[in-house]
Amino acid sequence: ETGVTQSPTHLIKTRGQQVTLRCSSQSGHNTVSWYQQALGQGPQFIFQYYREEENGRGNFPPRFSGLQFPNYSSELNVNALELDDSALYLCASSSDRELPGELFFGEGSRLTVL
Amino acid sequence: RKEVEQDPGPFNVPEGATVAFNCTYSNSASQSFFWYRQDCRKEPKLLMSVYSSGNEDGRFTAQLNRASQYISLLIRDSKLSDSATYLCVVTSPYQAGTALIFGKGTTLSVSS
Repeated sequence: ETGVTQSPTHLIKTRGQQVTLRCSSQSGHNTVSWYQQALGQGPQFIFQYYREEENGRGNFPPRFSGLQFPNYSSELNVNALELDDSALYLCASSSDRELPGELFFGEGSRLTVL
Repeated sequence: RKEVEQDPGPFNVPEGATVAFNCTYSNSASQSFFWYRQDCRKEPKLLMSVYSSGNEDGRFTAQLNRASQYISLLIRDSKLSDSATYLCVVTSPYQAGTALIFGKGTTLSVSS
């Protein structure tokens, strides 16, 4: 069974730039969620996609946007990067056949904004 | 008030010790509760769900008190491999699907 994979693993950007992070969900999973984890904090929910539609969003501004593709892979896009966007971005996949709340996380993309 | 609050620790215990973590949540409409484990610089992984009647998985026991909005995790006979950050998690009552609200985590360090 293929797990959740994310790319890139690390990247450095400067303020004002844009970034795209990618995620391949676990085989058989149709739901992808994105979380932001700042240093010393727990993950914070950004949004969730189910069958290519956004079906939940956390308290993040519109410059955080996403996509889910027919193969259930996903992208997170962040425009106009700010210093506070520096964090670990975690993608998690799940299925409506799994236990509620059981998310399978990728290893994350560590973004540094200078 | 934060939605999910945990004592950040760190908890430093010797092997074989029993350690308990506590967590409170602010929204009484939350429906589901979990403990996740996160190793240093790794992704979170589900440790166990927490049920109203309390539940046990080997050395780990989770309890839920809905009236007090309080969740606990007890680890008996601590092992070196238990060293990690333990995240208390509740489902968001405002979101569809599986949107989770995480606490900041409690760090456990088990030493020999």
